[in-house]
Amino acid sequence: RKEVEQDPGPFNVPEGATVAFNCTYSNSASQSFFWYRQDCRKEPKLLMSVYSSGNEDGRFTAQLNRASQYISLLIRDSKLSDSATYLCVVNKPGTYKYIFGTGTRLKVLA
Amino acid sequence: DTEVTQTPKHLVMGMTNKKSLKCEQHMGHRAMYWYKQKAKKPPELMFVYSYEKLSINESVPSRFSPECPNSSLLNLHLHALQPEDSALYLCASSLGPGLQLQETQYFGPGTRLLVL
Repeated sequence: RKEVEQDPGPFNVPEGATVAFNCTYSNSASQSFFWYRQDCRKEPKLLMSVYSSGNEDGRFTAQLNRASQYISLLIRDSKLSDSATYLCVVNKPGTYKYIFGTGTRLKVLA
Repeated sequence: DTEVTQTPKHLVMGMTNKKSLKCEQHMGHRAMYWYKQKAKKPPELMFVYSYEKLSINESVPSRFSPECPNSSLLNLHLHALQPEDSALYLCASSLGPGLQLQETQYFGPGTRLLVL
């Protein structure tokens, strides 16, 4: 089983739609969880940290489910500018490493 | 300011050349990272420096040689690279391992390397 798994997509959604991505992780001792956004040929940029209680930032909501070992990202009212690859990142306990999922591609269509 | 800078933005080199990539941050971060990213793949960790000491080397070939001259700077020296080393090389920094629970990594814009 991969340490961090994501559905690669692509998810093609119309503008205004709500879309959700999940990411599963294998190490139950992981403590730090993040969603990054990466545009084509650019660096990853932090979208949100994911906290135990869940957190929201505008149209974006992140959730953590420790029992099932997954994190999720919900995007409401999708914009064309949301088109990107969304990377799930989880720390590897006991190390300085961050493990990246393969990324989920989102295309928001006009 | 959450800026990590990298130079050069683009680099073309032959297999016999020696070149260096540079990374700089002024956020007071004590952990710095080098990643390699191929097209349509996630970043792949190469090296981690913690408090200016090499903490992790992910079995990277010796033709890649990292250096951390001080807490703000990170270099990656390249020598005798192969065409398959062509990729986007990303530098990142974070506050310092173990200093906070949700320790965020900040990435530089990367150096796009082409080895001919």
